[in-house]
Amino acid sequence: NAGVTQTPKFQVLKTGQSMTLQCAQDMNHEYMSWYRQDPGMGLRLIHYSVGAGITDQGEVPNGYNVSRSTTEDFPLRLLSAAPSQTSVYFCASSVLRNTDTQYFGPGTRLTVL
Amino acid sequence: AQKITQTQPGMFVQEKEAVTLDCTYDTSDQSYGLFWYKQPSSGEMIFLIYQGSYDEQNATEGRYSLNFQKARKSANLVISASQLGDSAMYFCAMREDDQTGANNLFFGTGTRLTVIP
Repeated sequence: NAGVTQTPKFQVLKTGQSMTLQCAQDMNHEYMSWYRQDPGMGLRLIHYSVGAGITDQGEVPNGYNVSRSTTEDFPLRLLSAAPSQTSVYFCASSVLRNTDTQYFGPGTRLTVL
Repeated sequence: AQKITQTQPGMFVQEKEAVTLDCTYDTSDQSYGLFWYKQPSSGEMIFLIYQGSYDEQNATEGRYSLNFQKARKSANLVISASQLGDSAMYFCAMREDDQTGANNLFFGTGTRLTVIP
């Protein structure tokens, strides 16, 4: 049981480049989400999904796309990277309506030059 | 308006003493959940404790307890008998319940706790 895995751990992009952050979980969780954490701030929700084929926007969705073709995977796509997207990205998963933890991945540190 | 407010950017506590980290929240929903997470310098998010809006008793998990005052909309974390390993960033978070069951969290800006030997 690997929990929530994220790849890569670190990434440096140039402005305008695109890339996909990968997230996978092996706990059969319906709910998955992406957050970003900027220095001195808490996590902010980018996109989320309550099941395969269902996605929705969170608090800060601009510049990002997601899809959920399987229960296990929830990739986050940066369409045209901007310096403002320099951040640490966390993927999380849980059962719906959880009353304890969401399982967070280890994070991806992204720098956009 | 901020949904979660943590007014203490940094706190210091002597080892073995208790410490309270403040959190206030803003919601008009009747059903919601409150969470506390710990983030050590290594960066991972560690779940500490959960309180549901309908729970009448304050949640406790080992040395952690959540002082839930619904009328004041506060959900303070109390850590008893602080240990050096408690030095970390602490985040309060809230989920507003909806029919989808999504666990979308609103986070505060965090409190950095330093435990002094």
